[in-house]
Amino acid sequence: QSVLTQPPSASGTPGQRVTISCTGSRSNIGSNNEYWYQQLPGTAPKLLIYRNNQRPSGVPDRFSGSKSGTSAYLAISGLRSEDEADYYCAAWDDILSGWLFGGGTKLTVL
Amino acid sequence: VQLVESGGGVVQPGGSLRLSCAASGFTFTTSGMHWVRQAPGKGLEWVAFIRSDGSNKYYADSVKGRFTISRDNSKNALFLQMNSLSAEDTAVYYCAKDLWFWGQGTLVTVSS
Repeated sequence: QSVLTQPPSASGTPGQRVTISCTGSRSNIGSNNEYWYQQLPGTAPKLLIYRNNQRPSGVPDRFSGSKSGTSAYLAISGLRSEDEADYYCAAWDDILSGWLFGGGTKLTVL
Repeated sequence: VQLVESGGGVVQPGGSLRLSCAASGFTFTTSGMHWVRQAPGKGLEWVAFIRSDGSNKYYADSVKGRFTISRDNSKNALFLQMNSLSAEDTAVYYCAKDLWFWGQGTLVTVSS
């Protein structure tokens, strides 16, 4: 069972803004940087956000990250059909001395 | 950046398997490397991490004592030795550079 908790599903219509949450604790999100990944069906995960709200080169600015206390958030604005994918958060945990992934959120574009 | 995993296949419960990851396109000797797995239809699970010089290794509790991560910086290669395998270890195994860049994965199936 993941210590980082994500909603199993989310949905939105094209053009909408959608936010996905990732709830952890002081030992992970509360004290370390979080990462967000997008995984399209049958492909490897792709890094979307690192160090709270930094985007690797090539990731559109429609994707943004934020954090409040022990929760992190991924926002996708101007939703497109190609955004339909699974999204995962990740963070280092100081107590476990290991990395944690959230359980994943399946985003459906209606 | 290119990461190519190999070594996956079908193995019987209790058996062993060694995965490899060939790295190119970046300075392997200064990069921390991870193994992450994904069981069929499930989410991502971090497995292990090794620092650039191999000095420190970290493991998920689920594999501690059974799996060993290692690297050969002279050959730009990452390895995962997996022992005492069980059905719960069935997954696609990805190698990843700093959790930034990921390979396409290799499938490990533990079945009799």
